[in-house]
Amino acid sequence: DIVMTQSPLSLPVTPGEPASISCRSSQSLLRSNGYNYLAWYLQKPGQSPQLLIYLGSKRASGVPDRFSGSGSGTDFTLKIGRVEAEDVGVYYCMQALQTATFGQGTRLEIK
Amino acid sequence: EVQLGESGGGLVQPGGSLRLSCAASGFTFSTYWMHWVRQVPGKGLVWVSRISSDGSTTGYADSVRGRFTISRDNAKNTVFLQMNSLRAEDTAVYFCARDAGDYTPDFWGQGTLVTVSS
Repeated sequence: DIVMTQSPLSLPVTPGEPASISCRSSQSLLRSNGYNYLAWYLQKPGQSPQLLIYLGSKRASGVPDRFSGSGSGTDFTLKIGRVEAEDVGVYYCMQALQTATFGQGTRLEIK
Repeated sequence: EVQLGESGGGLVQPGGSLRLSCAASGFTFSTYWMHWVRQVPGKGLVWVSRISSDGSTTGYADSVRGRFTISRDNAKNTVFLQMNSLRAEDTAVYFCARDAGDYTPDFWGQGTLVTVSS
């Protein structure tokens, strides 16, 4: 299985400040079609996960443009341009190249 | 509006069986792959299984292969997860999710809790 490793696991952020989460995979997620099979999810407290980013950098429908995904191969980053209170929750990366596996999750909290 | 509603969870003894259902609405169900993903309360997400739009192709996590069976009824817009030989480590909230088209779940249901305990 492809192992996904996120950092940090806890991320305290001041509202209005940027935030960044890293995700590394144990093997390349880049397919021959040029897409990286990497997605980002946010699970808000008490809710089911919601898709933020798919294919490495494509924003899902309705996702604010302060969220962006970047990276290729084995190293990926989710950036939040300016954190808002509603962004609190646990962020997961997930690889979809093979049998899906998730990172451990990064808990974002407001300072 | 896309809606997914899981049901069928509950308390079952080790070695027992449960059948989860996920009713879908708000989209053309028969054209989408579907997934099951589970989460131990307070822990991370673990992918369980997926099924193709016509039901002909399925996939399973190693931890459930041979014990769980995914299926679907496109006439009833429902996907199922038959869980046999349940173990304590299968205790989790089970989510069904629609596939966005790149083996990536996009819309998720609210989940149903399965507790395996004597």
